[in-house]
Amino acid sequence: GAGVSQSPSNKVTEKGKDVELRCDPISGHTALYWYRQSLGQGLEFLIYFQGNSAPDKSGLPSDRFSAERTGGSVSTLTIQRTQQEDSAVYLCASSLETSGVRAQYFGPGTRLLVL
Amino acid sequence: EDQVTQSPEALRLQEGESSSLNCSYTVSGLRGLFWYRQDPGKGPEFLFTLYSAGEEKEKERLKATLTKKESFLHITAPKPEDSATYLCAVRPPAEGANNLFFGTGTRLTVIP
Repeated sequence: GAGVSQSPSNKVTEKGKDVELRCDPISGHTALYWYRQSLGQGLEFLIYFQGNSAPDKSGLPSDRFSAERTGGSVSTLTIQRTQQEDSAVYLCASSLETSGVRAQYFGPGTRLLVL
Repeated sequence: EDQVTQSPEALRLQEGESSSLNCSYTVSGLRGLFWYRQDPGKGPEFLFTLYSAGEEKEKERLKATLTKKESFLHITAPKPEDSATYLCAVRPPAEGANNLFFGTGTRLTVIP
């Protein structure tokens, strides 16, 4: 596939459970981003990975949120002890960030509902 | 905090009725302004990047322009398939600031 893929597309969980969201970036893209989109809100930056550099975690809302990127490709966003306010669409994006400022290309998102 | 404001929040147009969407920002020395289109239930789709005041980009019925404080997305003779939410985002000037700051979007409806 040519685009960013995410799984699952929908996730319903109970409050207090842990969830894992997966992102497959565009092949060859070195930069990967996670954003969150809540109803009526703009996209909120969560975390950024670039190559082998330490990730920029400045957007993570609490220590219940973590992410990793294995082998410079696939990324997993983990939310521990989910709360109802975590319900949102989680979007992953990738870009070819070798130099300059490049456009970010988004996946379809994972819709998370915490009951 | 950097601010991106989009207006109007919602816009209804008759098919063929041209109009403009506005994105104003308070970032100085931004490193890029981006327009995206988002359809319901989907991720944002990249449209344009603008880097400096005076720059213009065009794609089909869409034309994006940039000044020092705002950007416009002009839609000429829109069709129903142009109905979507249009998002504006800016890349702040600080080196190491890698994320985009998004506005809340303009929801465009084009009526046949």
